[in-house]
Amino acid sequence: KAGVTQTPRYLIKTRGQQVTLSCSPISGHRSVSWYQQTPGQGLQFLFEYFSETQRNKGNFPGRFSGRQFSNSRSEMNVSTLELGDSALYLCASSLAPGQETQYFGPGTRLLVL
Amino acid sequence: GDSVTQMEGPVTLSEEAFLTINCTYTATGYPSLFWYVQYPGEGLQLLLKATKADDKGSNKGFEATYRKETTSFHLEKGSVQVSDSAVYFCALSDPAKAAGNKLTFGGGTRVLVKP
Repeated sequence: KAGVTQTPRYLIKTRGQQVTLSCSPISGHRSVSWYQQTPGQGLQFLFEYFSETQRNKGNFPGRFSGRQFSNSRSEMNVSTLELGDSALYLCASSLAPGQETQYFGPGTRLLVL
Repeated sequence: GDSVTQMEGPVTLSEEAFLTINCTYTATGYPSLFWYVQYPGEGLQLLLKATKADDKGSNKGFEATYRKETTSFHLEKGSVQVSDSAVYFCALSDPAKAAGNKLTFGGGTRVLVKP
């Protein structure tokens, strides 16, 4: 069974631009969560989607948004990029909310210049 | 809110040494506890988990026991290998809460095993 895939793996943007990251969960998994990993703040929860609905959101500004499609694939978008948005963005999938084992993808490394 | 505290690294060991990484948590409910490992340039891999008090999670020679009385979930391995060099994260979730699958992570502990 294929694991969680994330595209692109690396991305370089400039301040003020916007970016869209994609995540394809493990086949059959319907819950997708996103995390931001930075050296200073560590791993922080962004949001979780299930059945195309956002179930939970972390403490991030409104520039960070996401969505989930009917095939469970998810995208996250960051608008008006700031230097501090440089991070590794990780996606995790599980069967459903409350199904505790989450499987992580390799991440998308975003560099904002 | 929920929080996880783990010992800061880096932890440098020789091959075949004993490894312990301390992890303590604060939670209002009855969380599930996890250890994830991150190898250089990769995402997180679930190493082991425990879902209730006194449960012991184990995998690949690593073990951790859910201690409710001390709110701890320390990771141990009896004999480390160079290939165990990685960053280890302790995490919790509380599926009973509306938080769903949200994982709260500790700061991570970098482990370096030298031959």
